[in-house]
Amino acid sequence: DSGVTQTPKHLITATGQRVTLRCSPRSGDLSVYWYQQSLDQGLQFLIQYYNGEERAKGNILERFSAQQFPDLHSELNLSSLELGDSALYFCASSVEARGFSGNTIYFGEGSWLTVV
Amino acid sequence: DAKTTQPPSMDCAEGRAANLPCNHSTISGNEYVYWYRQIHSQGPQYIIHGLKNNETNEMASLIITEDRKSSTLILPHATLRDTAVYYCIVRDRMDSSYKLIFGSGTRLLVRP
Repeated sequence: DSGVTQTPKHLITATGQRVTLRCSPRSGDLSVYWYQQSLDQGLQFLIQYYNGEERAKGNILERFSAQQFPDLHSELNLSSLELGDSALYFCASSVEARGFSGNTIYFGEGSWLTVV
Repeated sequence: DAKTTQPPSMDCAEGRAANLPCNHSTISGNEYVYWYRQIHSQGPQYIIHGLKNNETNEMASLIITEDRKSSTLILPHATLRDTAVYYCIVRDRMDSSYKLIFGSGTRLLVRP
């Protein structure tokens, strides 16, 4: 158990709909990362938040958005869903301190999204 | 883009050592080498990381060449549960995001 909690574990929804995926980071971790893993794309970095602020953005579609709340949990919002959005979405977290010393990123077990 | 090159697949016999190579010929002095693995569709699992010295923990050993252009992850006594995709990642400590960029990894099959 990595300590990163993601809900829901499985979700089936129709095209055009909107869903929200939730992530609770490990206790004390300030950084949250979101990744998408589909069959043909591998693990793709989407976005990172640090202590409530966006820190880095990767291959995230405009239809997708995320935020990190004061209690440090994060949500990934996916809207106008398409069949191609079906994937496994991972959240990860890490502690960050001044002066990078190789801190580890821990992943949750993912949320399976199926768009039909 | 991933900065590492790994063989797409490997296999080894249960109980034997699994040696997974990784090439990172363009690595800079600020970059760490990380190894993660993903068992089936579970979340990626941290294994080990290093900068320039060899490292060992309860899961594996990491051997980094002196010029740091390649490394080898060693699972000393592979078990069937070690069957997974193994990712070698270089991570820039000067990148304020410290994000991990995954490549395609090596699919390791441990045979009974």
